[in-house]
Amino acid sequence: LAKTTQPISMDSYEGQEVNITCSHNNIATNDYITWYQQFPSQGPRFIIQGYKTKVTNEVASLFIPADRKSSTLSLPRVSLSDTAVYYCLVGDNRGSTLGRLYFGRGTQLTVWP
Amino acid sequence: AAGVIQSPRHLIKEKRETATLKCYPIPRHDTVYWYQQGPGQDPQFLISFYEKMQSDKGSIPDRFSAQQFSDYHSELNMSSLELGDSALYFCASRTSATYNEQFFGPGTRLTVL
Repeated sequence: LAKTTQPISMDSYEGQEVNITCSHNNIATNDYITWYQQFPSQGPRFIIQGYKTKVTNEVASLFIPADRKSSTLSLPRVSLSDTAVYYCLVGDNRGSTLGRLYFGRGTQLTVWP
Repeated sequence: AAGVIQSPRHLIKEKRETATLKCYPIPRHDTVYWYQQGPGQDPQFLISFYEKMQSDKGSIPDRFSAQQFSDYHSELNMSSLELGDSALYFCASRTSATYNEQFFGPGTRLTVL
């Protein structure tokens, strides 16, 4: 299982772009990279998933370099409501009857006015 | 859109008592997961079910048991409760046809006194 490393905390101001980098040196060939967001006392929420290069949806972008040993979650123009814990997960659960999620230490993002 | 439903949302029990947590997955989702999140900690996988059969098991104490019923709802039974069982318990569901995206419920906050 690929271990992930993220910053424990980050601070930003409203309107700025935030980039959270996750290191996963032991990522396997079939592994995907997935990011979840969690607000206090709420269940984690899926943000984005990717395998390589760049993935973008209405919420965020995910940049994955060619060696796939790291990934960067990019949140454009953050607002106060983006204050949350962000988890980077690595694994391959496609079509699997298993698929447990391994949550490591996430990144507490605090957005200030 | 329908979401994962958990009940009760809050539960207060005494030590050595028994608790039952219920989870109603999103319709047509065939896999259910249970996670435990202690205060200030990250979610930890407990157990999962695929098509009403236990599919995976994590760090679940022997005092805990779970099952998935014919209507796909799941129950987590916890006996001989200890102070350390106080936590948020999340249920998540997904269809095995998708990738890593799991949909989490709002959680049940269990407090053991």
